[in-house]
Amino acid sequence: AQRVTQPEKLLSVFKGAPVELKCNYSYSGSPELFWYVQYSRQRLQLLLRHISRESIKGFTADLNKGETSFHLKKPFAQEEDSAMYYCALFYSGGGADGLTFGKGTHLIIQP
Amino acid sequence: EPEVTQTPSHQVTQMGQEVILRCVPISNHLYFYWYRQILGQKVEFLVSFYNNEISEKSEIFDDQFSVERPDGSNFTLKIRSTKLEDSAMYFCASSERGSNTEAFFGQGTRLTVV
Repeated sequence: AQRVTQPEKLLSVFKGAPVELKCNYSYSGSPELFWYVQYSRQRLQLLLRHISRESIKGFTADLNKGETSFHLKKPFAQEEDSAMYYCALFYSGGGADGLTFGKGTHLIIQP
Repeated sequence: EPEVTQTPSHQVTQMGQEVILRCVPISNHLYFYWYRQILGQKVEFLVSFYNNEISEKSEIFDDQFSVERPDGSNFTLKIRSTKLEDSAMYFCASSERGSNTEAFFGQGTRLTVV
């Protein structure tokens, strides 16, 4: 079965400092990974996906198949980055598709 | 920009009562999902729905749960006899089928069972 692990429940960094939110996965198939973000009182929204290799709001994430990781990084944190971040794995097979989420990391950016 | 909408935003119900949570997915999407998030815990998959039938369900999705697409636009989650532990945020999501599919989430319905 697929699994997504986010080891840090809470991460607090100062504004301007680098940020790295860790995500590890286990999946027997070819992984498709995503980062979702939930700002205070807002809906879950897609931040970025590994397949597009894009940078959104200064965040990047590289899929490392050898380490089965998809860590989210930003070189200089901003206060508006404070939110819950969820790493998610899209799985398919047997006629079923779905997303498996990690437990989330609460990122707090201190001024 | 199209979005998934859920109603109501907050539902309070008595234990043992039936509740129906409603969702309007994005119109050209083919896959529909329900997730829940108990306070302080992670987002958990409940069920996926495609072509008018359940394609997968988790262990959480037992006989008290059911889903329906009654009229081609709404997608509902029914909980027949609510328990205290059903109190959670319920998220509906929809997506186009594809290898890089993106699930769009609704804003959630907070269900409180008292």
